Amino acid sequence: GNSVTQMEGPVTLSEEAFLTINCTYTATGYPSLFWYVQYPGEGLQLLLKATKADDKGSNKGFEATYRKETTSFHLEKGSVQVSDSAVYFCALPLYSGYSTLTFGKGTMLLVSP
Amino acid sequence: DVKVTQSSRYLVKRTGEKVFLECVQDMDHENMFWYRQDPGLGLRLIYFSYDVKMKEKGDIPEGYSVSREKKERFSLILESASTNQTSMYLCASQAPSYEQYFGPGTRLTVT
Repeated sequence: GNSVTQMEGPVTLSEEAFLTINCTYTATGYPSLFWYVQYPGEGLQLLLKATKADDKGSNKGFEATYRKETTSFHLEKGSVQVSDSAVYFCALPLYSGYSTLTFGKGTMLLVSP
Repeated sequence: DVKVTQSSRYLVKRTGEKVFLECVQDMDHENMFWYRQDPGLGLRLIYFSYDVKMKEKGDIPEGYSVSREKKERFSLILESASTNQTSMYLCASQAPSYEQYFGPGTRLTVT
């Protein structure tokens, strides 16, 4: 099935720094790609998605571009805030046409004032 | 907005008890999922359901069962709780376009 690999954390940044969290995938075809965020003690929330190659998903200042050439979907934000401290998960469908998602292990982001 | 609710945020049970975790979604989604989340192990799929009364095992079904009698409700059952089932349990509902929507989670402690 499809799979995803995320960079290990934690990623530690100061407020207003630039953020990149790497995600690469292995997939048959061109499935939709997702980023989820999990705040402490909460469930996962959908942060953004891209449904085809070269699509850019964006939300709350976060962006990710679906790059089929490099099979990547890196998450970026120009200026992080303390409130962005959370765990971020990259995900995609396990199989083409099969609906279960497979998730990366998650990357913890810690932002200090 | 999609709303997925779980019956409890925190639950403490004793070893050997039967435990019910309930999940309800309000978007008429056909697909629903139960995961458990443990430090260092990420999200692991326990069971999922594609329709009423239909269920499929995920990666770690042992010690669990599920029930889906109505489309909006998906229950996870621990037949005889054990300490190694202490975990965070997450329910999700899935849209036809694949994105999953999660409930707030139930942190279960088995003593």
